[in-house]
Amino acid sequence: GENVEQHPSTLSVQEGDSAVIKCTYSDSASNYFPWYKQELGKRPQLIIDIRSNVGEKKDQRIAVTLNKTAKHFSLHITETQPEDSAVYFCAASSTTGNQFYFGTGTSLTVIP
Amino acid sequence: DAGITQSPRHKVTETGTPVTLRCHQTENHRYMYWYRQDPGHGLRLIHYSYGVKDTDKGEVSDGYSVSRSKTEDFLLTLESATSSQTSVYFCAISYSGIYNEQFFGPGTRLTVL
Repeated sequence: GENVEQHPSTLSVQEGDSAVIKCTYSDSASNYFPWYKQELGKRPQLIIDIRSNVGEKKDQRIAVTLNKTAKHFSLHITETQPEDSAVYFCAASSTTGNQFYFGTGTSLTVIP
Repeated sequence: DAGITQSPRHKVTETGTPVTLRCHQTENHRYMYWYRQDPGHGLRLIHYSYGVKDTDKGEVSDGYSVSRSKTEDFLLTLESATSSQTSVYFCAISYSGIYNEQFFGPGTRLTVL
């Protein structure tokens, strides 16, 4: 099955700086890549997603880029705020069924 | 939050006992999923359902079974719980599969002693 690796596992940034989280995947046929945010003690929630026919997608301070050739995709958060502190998970779609494979998560801390 | 609930929210049980977790939705979504979340492993799919009585295995299905007798309910059963199944279990729903947003339930914290 698909193997998704996510780096870094922890990330601390100063408020106002940018944060970048990177994921790689193994199955070249994967074509959908969502990102989920999970605040402490809460459920994961979708923040942005990208399909393989698009190289970049933006939503206010959040952007995702996809490099199909290299099989990696990244989450970019600009002008970080304390409320961005959370665990972020990337995922890649499986080509053998209706399921995702998730990365192991990145714990982002934004220091005021 | 989408209309999705899980019960119980917390459970402590002993090794070897059967355990059933329930996921209930009011959104009439076709797809339902069970994940487990463990430190260092992220979210891993246990089983999913793509319709009433239609289920399939995920990447960590050993030791678990599921049933879906009606659209709104998806049950996860641990036939004989083991300590390795201590985890937080999340149910998720999706309107029409992986190309739609998955909405997660609040989670169930299960401890197997």
